[in-house]
Amino acid sequence: EDQVTQSPEALRLQEGESSSLNCSYTVSGLRGLFWYRQDPGKGPEFLFTLYSAGEEKEKERLKATLTKKESFLHITAPKPEDSATYLCAVQTETGGSYIPTFGRGTSLIVHP
Amino acid sequence: NAGVTQTPKFQVLKTGQSMTLQCAQDMNHEYMSWYRQDPGMGLRLIHYSVGAGITDQGEVPNGYNVSRSTTEDFPLRLLSAAPSQTSVYFCASSIGTEAFFGQGTRLTVV
Repeated sequence: EDQVTQSPEALRLQEGESSSLNCSYTVSGLRGLFWYRQDPGKGPEFLFTLYSAGEEKEKERLKATLTKKESFLHITAPKPEDSATYLCAVQTETGGSYIPTFGRGTSLIVHP
Repeated sequence: NAGVTQTPKFQVLKTGQSMTLQCAQDMNHEYMSWYRQDPGMGLRLIHYSVGAGITDQGEVPNGYNVSRSTTEDFPLRLLSAAPSQTSVYFCASSIGTEAFFGQGTRLTVV
């Protein structure tokens, strides 16, 4: 059974304090790993797709990396507007569908 | 370009009532899906569709029905609402990689 585990469940940072969120996965045949951002009361918003170990993607203060067992979302010098829940999802080769499996998310709060 | 539109945004049902959550997308995406999101549980897949006329069950399908008669629409039907179905429901569409989500429907069953 495919599993996606995110840690920590919650993270509080001071503005400017860099940190990383973790997404570990056990799947058969990874097709892609996704990161989403979700603001309160809204649907998830796509951030990145990673396809193979060693790949990295960047967007503003966010950088996503991928190994064969886990992905990290690095947040450099965060600002209060980076506060959100960050969701990781994996897409596998089983079944031939493109429907991802989500982790439970990391709730990030950045204090000014 | 509206993306994925869900209606209604909020709904309160009595136990045993039925209703349909609407989802429409204007991006001509093949793949559509319904998730429910509960505190501490993350997003759990209810049903999904890989094209018009084709649907399949996800992780938590019991108590829900779907159909896909057009590419654009993917309604979710609650047959007989139960308090355990109190949740936030999200519809998503994708073309193979990133998924686009609606704004969600917050459903309370009393």
